[in-house]
Amino acid sequence: DAGVTQSPTHLIKTRGQQVTLRCSPKSGHDTVSWYQQALGQGPQFIFQYYEEEERQRGNFPDRFSGHQFPNYSSELNVNALLLGDSALYLCASSYGRKRYTFGSGTRLTVV
Amino acid sequence: GQQLNQSPQSMFIQEGEDVSMNCTSSSIFNTWLWYKQEPGEGPVLLIALYKAGELTSNGRLTAQFGITRKDSFLNISASIPSDVGIYFCAGQSSSNTGKLIFGQGTTLQVKP
Repeated sequence: DAGVTQSPTHLIKTRGQQVTLRCSPKSGHDTVSWYQQALGQGPQFIFQYYEEEERQRGNFPDRFSGHQFPNYSSELNVNALLLGDSALYLCASSYGRKRYTFGSGTRLTVV
Repeated sequence: GQQLNQSPQSMFIQEGEDVSMNCTSSSIFNTWLWYKQEPGEGPVLLIALYKAGELTSNGRLTAQFGITRKDSFLNISASIPSDVGIYFCAGQSSSNTGKLIFGQGTTLQVKP
């Protein structure tokens, strides 16, 4: 039984560019959340998707947007990249709002 | 962003020693979670706590949900080298159930 799958694992982008990160949830899970983890910090909640809609959002600018597809997979898009967007981006899936399972993350470096 | 206060920030201990770490919040939570993260991996759930005063074990790990609902504790008994990693607490409130709020993490190193 595959867990949460994220792609790509690593990514290097230039300031001002746009990036799309992908997440496939664990089988049976219908809710996907995205977190940003800066080096040496705990994960910070970006937003959560359920039934293809953004259900809840953290304190992140509109440059961060997402999408959930009918098969429950999800994308995180970040526009106009800043150096400060460099971080590990984690996807977590759940059935309902308990027992979140995290993926291994996408390491984004903005240069 | 909002974070919990987790302490200590780091620990360097001898194999076989017991470890204690804690997490405090200014807000009440109805769920406390403890995760472990190893290099290159995402956080892995160790213990989930759902009721004030609850004490739950998972092997050598024991965690407690504080009576005030504003704190939680994690103990690791008889540490072994594979306990090395970063331990995070996370809280979830009843009014904000979609969001986990994490502590800054406790880095544990175990000397064989």
